[in-house]
Amino acid sequence: AQTVTQSQPEMSVQEAETVTLSCTYDTSESDYYLFWYKQPPSRQMILVIRQEAYKQQNATENRFSVNFQKAAKSFSLKISDSQLGDAAMYFCAYRSAGGTSYGKLTFGQGTILTVHP
Amino acid sequence: DVKVTQSSRYLVKRTGEKVFLECVQDMDHENMFWYRQDPGLGLRLIYFSYDVKMKEKGDIPEGYSVSREKKERFSLILESASTNQTSMYLCASKRAGNSFYYGYTFGSGTRLTVV
Repeated sequence: AQTVTQSQPEMSVQEAETVTLSCTYDTSESDYYLFWYKQPPSRQMILVIRQEAYKQQNATENRFSVNFQKAAKSFSLKISDSQLGDAAMYFCAYRSAGGTSYGKLTFGQGTILTVHP
Repeated sequence: DVKVTQSSRYLVKRTGEKVFLECVQDMDHENMFWYRQDPGLGLRLIYFSYDVKMKEKGDIPEGYSVSREKKERFSLILESASTNQTSMYLCASKRAGNSFYYGYTFGSGTRLTVV
């Protein structure tokens, strides 16, 4: 079974600064997908960024980028130029690329991000 | 706008009651999921359904059952609610298949308190 670990229960950052959220995972599979989700106080889960394991190039989406280290099984999220609206709970998630997995997600414990003005 | 709708945002039930949590999606998605969210534990999969009347256990199915009689509706049932089932419950749906581009759509959650 796969596991996802987020070792930072809480993080804080000053507005306009950069913050990195950590995520490690454990799997014996070679083909999989990784995701970062944001959950604001509204509770609506929002996909922030995603990465395919076989792609070495790190994904980027505007101010959000990842540092994907496949050998180390690490998938950190970097938020640049932090904004007040970035304050939320962030979840790292794993999904097997296998056809029989039905696309089940395995989530980490979550990191609460506070942004200070 | 595509949606996954959970019938209740907040729910308070008594120990021993039978509880139904309802989830409806309007995207014609084949796959639907029920997750439980607890502080420090993240989201854990309770049950999922890959088609009408088809279901499989997730990681923590004990004390729960599910029903999917119609494609758009996936119900989570607590047969006899207990205080350790006090939690946030999230429903999600996605298209069949495991393409990288088939994303999840989540509901806004039901916060259940069992007293």
